Parts: sequence; structure tokens; C-alpha cells
Amino acid sequence: QKEVEQNSGPLSVPEGAIASLNCTYSDRVSQSFFWYRQYSGKSPELIMSIYSNGDKEDGRFTAQLNKASQYVSLLIRDSQPSDSATYLCAVTTGNQFYFGTGTSLTVIP
Amino acid sequence: KAGVTQTPRYLIKTRGQQVTLSCSPISGHRSVSWYQQTPGQGLQFLFEYFSETQRNKGNFPGRFSGRQFSNSRSEMNVSTLELGDSALYLCASGDTGGGETQYFGPGTRLLVL
Repeated sequence: QKEVEQNSGPLSVPEGAIASLNCTYSDRVSQSFFWYRQYSGKSPELIMSIYSNGDKEDGRFTAQLNKASQYVSLLIRDSQPSDSATYLCAVTTGNQFYFGTGTSLTVIP
Repeated sequence: KAGVTQTPRYLIKTRGQQVTLSCSPISGHRSVSWYQQTPGQGLQFLFEYFSETQRNKGNFPGRFSGRQFSNSRSEMNVSTLELGDSALYLCASGDTGGGETQYFGPGTRLLVL
């Protein structure tokens, strides 16, 4: 079983809609959780970090963490074509980072 | 602050050769992690260095090695290159490593022919 699992997609949403990206992790001692965005041919860039249960909002992005269910999600409101990218979920136990394989998102104008 | 820098950005090698990649972390950061990214496998952790010591290591063969210098700059070496080593090699910089946020460099794209 992989440490971090994501649906590979592709996920397509119309412009202005809400995109919902999901991630599950296997290690219950995981402490910190991150979402990275990676455009084609570029390196990952950090979007959000979340450390405690609940929601964390930053502009159009909301990260949600449920440690009991070992689940973390990213909501993108008012999706824009520029949000089209691969979104990587990352989890750390405080020792090492584990990345999911990413979900490809396409926002259709 | 300047971001993470990696050199070279692109590299073409042939099988059997060796290669050395370089990474300079964000100023003040002492942790450098290396990842291999391929379309099929995603981001695979190679190793992490902190204060010149290898702190964590992923599941890669001994052909992959690294080191970190006193100024926190890090190098990664791959010996006896194989076709399957063709990938994007990413370096990530962190303040203390472990659970801290990692910031990625632009990567080195290696093609092995």
C-alpha cells in the first residue's frame, strides 16, 4: 500500500466551478500535510499547508484535514483555466516527505 | 530571498557514464532533499541531507549518492547511468527538514541515451 494515494484523474471542471481534489494517507503518525501545484514541465510549488483537523482557507483555496479518516482534500473555488495543472498531495511524519502521484486538473473555459 | 537553484538544468548522457547534479538551497536553509520524478512513478524520495549528514534515504540503489557541504549546497551523483535513470531530478530546500515545508528548485532534466 502506498503511503499517499490520489486519484490520478484527469479531473475536468468548467471555469468558475469548484474543483475538489482528494488524498488519503496510510501512516497515522503523519503530522503535516501539504498541497503542491505542478505545471507541465515545471517544478512543484507550494499552495497550502495544514497541520490540524478542520479547514484552512487561503484565497480561492481551502484545505481540509480529517486525521481520524486519514484524509486531506483541496477545494479550488471559482476555478480558472490557469489552475489547470497537476496537484500533488504530500504528507510528512516529521521524518520524511511522501508524495502522491498527483491529480491532473483541467479547467475548461 | 533567492529561491532554490539547481545546475545544470538539462543534461544528456549515455549509458554507463556518471553525472553530478548540484543544488543550492534557500539562504539559511540547512536541509536539502532530492527526488526523482518520472511520469510513471511520480516523485520518489532519494535522500535528505541536514548539516552535512545524510538523515534519510529512500529506496534507490547505491549508484545514487549525495553529499552536502558546509554552506548547505548539495550534490547528487549517479554512477553507471541506465536508461531508466532518465527523469527530472528535483531538489527541495527546508529550514530544519523533517516536518518543515519544502521548497523545490527548478529541477535538472536528465536524459540517458
